[in-house]
Amino acid sequence: DQQVKQNSPSLSVQEGRISILNCDYTNSMFDYFLWYKKYPAEGPTFLISISSIKDKNEDGRFTVFLNKSAKHLSLHIVPSQPGDSAVYFCAAIIGGSNYKLTFGKGTLLTVNP
Amino acid sequence: NAGVTQTPKFRVLKTGQSMTLLCAQDMNHEYMYWYRQDPGMGLRLIHYSVGEGTTAKGEVPDGYNVSRLKKQNFLLGLESAAPSQTSVYFCASKGVGSPLHFGNGTRLTVT
Repeated sequence: DQQVKQNSPSLSVQEGRISILNCDYTNSMFDYFLWYKKYPAEGPTFLISISSIKDKNEDGRFTVFLNKSAKHLSLHIVPSQPGDSAVYFCAAIIGGSNYKLTFGKGTLLTVNP
Repeated sequence: NAGVTQTPKFRVLKTGQSMTLLCAQDMNHEYMYWYRQDPGMGLRLIHYSVGEGTTAKGEVPDGYNVSRLKKQNFLLGLESAAPSQTSVYFCASKGVGSPLHFGNGTRLTVT
C-alpha cells in the first residue's frame, strides 16, 4: 500500500516557465514533508521541506504548498532552468519515527531550453 | 569533508554469494540508513540505526543484515544474494537539525 504517491512519472516544461510537481499521501499521521532532487548516478539531495503546521514554504525559486485537508502537496519551480532537469522525490515523515522517510516513486522533470 | 561515502560503487554477484556494502560518514551524525531504489518503486528503507551499536528494521529488511560498530560506519550485508536484490543501494545519515544526506549509491547486480 503506497502511502506517498507521485502519479506523474514525468513532466516536461520550457525553460523560464513554471514547473509544478504533485504529491499525494494517505497516512494522516505524516507531519513533515520533504522534496529531494536526484541527478543520474548521484544520491538524492535535499531541496525543501514543510511542516504540517504550515501551508507554504519558499526558498528562492522553489515553493512547496501543503493542503492537509486534501492530503496533497506540490512543488513549484519558477522560473524553471535546464539544470533543474532531474528526478524529484516527495517524502514524508511521522514525528517521533526516528526520521524514517517514506518516499514516492519520483517524477522525472525535463526542462527544455 | 567527504559527507557520505559508499563502497563499492558497482558490484556483480552470482546467486548465493555474499558481500558487504560499506557506508562511511564524516559528519558525526547519529542516524544512519540504508535504502534501496528500484525502477518504478522509489526508495525503500531496508535498515537503520539511531546510534552506535544500535540497528532496527525498515520496510524491506529480509535478506539483509546490518552492523553499526562505529558511529561513522554502517555496514549492509547480503549473506546469500538473490536476483531480487539487484538494485541501487543508498546510504544516508542525519544529524540534529539536518535533513538526510545521501551517498552516491552502490549499483548491485545479482546474476
